[in-house]
Amino acid sequence: EPEVTQTPSHQVTQMGQEVILRCVPISNHLYFYWYRQILGQKVEFLVSFYNNEISEKSEIFDDQFSVERPDGSNFTLKIRSTKLEDSAMYFCASSDSLGYTFGSGTRLTVV
Amino acid sequence: GDSVTQMEGPVTLSEEAFLTINCTYTATGYPSLFWYVQYPGEGLQLLLKATKADDKGSNKGFEATYRKETTSFHLEKGSVQVSDSAVYFCALTSLYSGGGADGLTFGKGTHLIIQP
Repeated sequence: EPEVTQTPSHQVTQMGQEVILRCVPISNHLYFYWYRQILGQKVEFLVSFYNNEISEKSEIFDDQFSVERPDGSNFTLKIRSTKLEDSAMYFCASSDSLGYTFGSGTRLTVV
Repeated sequence: GDSVTQMEGPVTLSEEAFLTINCTYTATGYPSLFWYVQYPGEGLQLLLKATKADDKGSNKGFEATYRKETTSFHLEKGSVQVSDSAVYFCALTSLYSGGGADGLTFGKGTHLIIQP
């Protein structure tokens, strides 16, 4: 069964550093997403991406965040200058007309 | 905006007990409703879904019925197993069941613990 693959599974970074979280969506899916889950809280929508541009973004997705599809397979989330409150599980997802498929997530810890 | 409210956890049950996890929603229009499950160390997996009023989604012994009159989508299972221990998320999208720009709105999740 096709999967959404995320790397790394865990990342520890120092406050102020840039991080890039990577995702390989399912190849024939057209929409891609990033979600965030702060420990003990709900899963929150960050951004959706379609046809090589952002379709929708939440108020969480401010100027420190960016997304990119640098090639035909990868979909990345960049956080430019990490803050302690960026510590969370980040989920990538992709979708087609049948529904959404989520990756296993990247646990980001900012110290 | 859209929102999902689900019962707080953790919910602790004995094996073979009956399970109900409540979920209510607020949305404009006619959303599609979902239950996702997250096993320890894993991602979110779709458990079941319903796309219109009175639809019943079912999978692995779990069921949920889309109740428009009460804006609810409660998850039920007649006899739980230890392997059902996980976090369960209720979610909705205002679009059809497939993908779209808006993505999913999730509840906070309910941690279910099944004891042997």
